[in-house]
Amino acid sequence: SQKIEQNSEALNIQEGKTATLTCNYTNYSPAYLQWYRQDPGRGPVFLLLIRENEKEKRKERLKVTFDTTLKQSLFHITASQPADSATYLCALDMKTGANNLFFGTGTRLTVIP
Amino acid sequence: EAQVTQNPRYLITVTGKKLTVTCSQNMNHEYMSWYRQDPGLGLRQIYYSMNVEVTDKGDVPEGYKVSRKEKRNFPLILESPSPNQTSLYFCATYASGHNEQFFGPGTRLTVL
Repeated sequence: SQKIEQNSEALNIQEGKTATLTCNYTNYSPAYLQWYRQDPGRGPVFLLLIRENEKEKRKERLKVTFDTTLKQSLFHITASQPADSATYLCALDMKTGANNLFFGTGTRLTVIP
Repeated sequence: EAQVTQNPRYLITVTGKKLTVTCSQNMNHEYMSWYRQDPGLGLRQIYYSMNVEVTDKGDVPEGYKVSRKEKRNFPLILESPSPNQTSLYFCATYASGHNEQFFGPGTRLTVL
């Protein structure tokens, strides 16, 4: 069966450290992989997209890697800040039409001052 | 300002009482979707629409209806709500040729 797993439900790290979140999937062949941030009581907000032929993508303090052989994406936040505390969702983008995004359950990140 | 709005934001209702959750966007996006979010299950797509008068089922369509009479609006209709439809609902939009989805603020629905 198809599955998307995000490493842990919750992750606590110290301010200034690098947070690494994992997204593993089975039985999918996504064309893209997207990462979203969701704050309590709000809708997800798009952060980054990485294509299947890209190994790495960066945006300010964020870095995403995508390994289609391992079927895994890693999401890094460097120099983490308390304001980075949120739930982060990975989403597999099958690019086959509007029914194209399949979401993981998310990892709740808490950055401790 | 680019916006996706949903109404109501919170709703408590009883089993069997028909309700509609509205979604409106001002970005002229072709694609609109409805998701529900439940603990441990993540976001799951209910219905989607690729343009006016074009709608199709997502992964969990049972018990829901949608319509797309205008490009900007995509209401979600629960004809006879049941307690298992208690959930957090999100509307999302994106433009043809792009991947980034814009989500609304969510509607928390409780069916007693």
